[in-house]
Amino acid sequence: KAGVTQTPRYLIKTRGQQVTLSCSPISGHRSVSWYQQTPGQGLQFLFEYFSETQRNKGNFPGRFSGRQFSNSRSEMNVSTLELGDSALYLCASSFGGTGELFFGEGSRLTVL
Amino acid sequence: AQRVTQPEKLLSVFKGAPVELKCNYSYSGSPELFWYVQYSRQRLQLLLRHISRESIKGFTADLNKGETSFHLKKPFAQEEDSAMYYCALWVMGNTPLVFGKGTRLSVIA
Repeated sequence: KAGVTQTPRYLIKTRGQQVTLSCSPISGHRSVSWYQQTPGQGLQFLFEYFSETQRNKGNFPGRFSGRQFSNSRSEMNVSTLELGDSALYLCASSFGGTGELFFGEGSRLTVL
Repeated sequence: AQRVTQPEKLLSVFKGAPVELKCNYSYSGSPELFWYVQYSRQRLQLLLRHISRESIKGFTADLNKGETSFHLKKPFAQEEDSAMYYCALWVMGNTPLVFGKGTRLSVIA
């Protein structure tokens, strides 16, 4: 059974640009969550999607957005990038209604 | 709001010594508690959950509701235990999994 797949794995952007990250969940999982991981703040929750609906949203500015498609694949977008957005962005999937998440390897974003 | 606190950013122990990674949470109800681990160059993965009451890789964790703690313990540390450990809390319902900031465990040979 294939795990959670995230693309791209690494990317470099400059301030002001935008970026789109993609996540393919484990087959059968309908919930996709996104987290930002940084050395200082650990794992911070961005949002969760379930059956194409945003079910929860963390405390991030509106520049961070996401969506989920009918096949459960999810994308997150960050517009007007800032230096502080440099981080590892983790996607996790689950059946939903559980704290057991399955994580991808992450997309490492560097903003210059 | 739920909160998870891991007071130690870094914990260094010698191989064969006991290990205890501390985790405290704030929530008035009955949450589910988890420990996740991230080994070098590997993805974050579930280590154990309190409702399973299992021992995984020699690690155990007991939920203490009175002290609102869920400390992770292992009697004899191994070098392969070196990793980043995250404590996490989940409340049944449509809520996200909330993580602590993590503790890096370094086991010295």
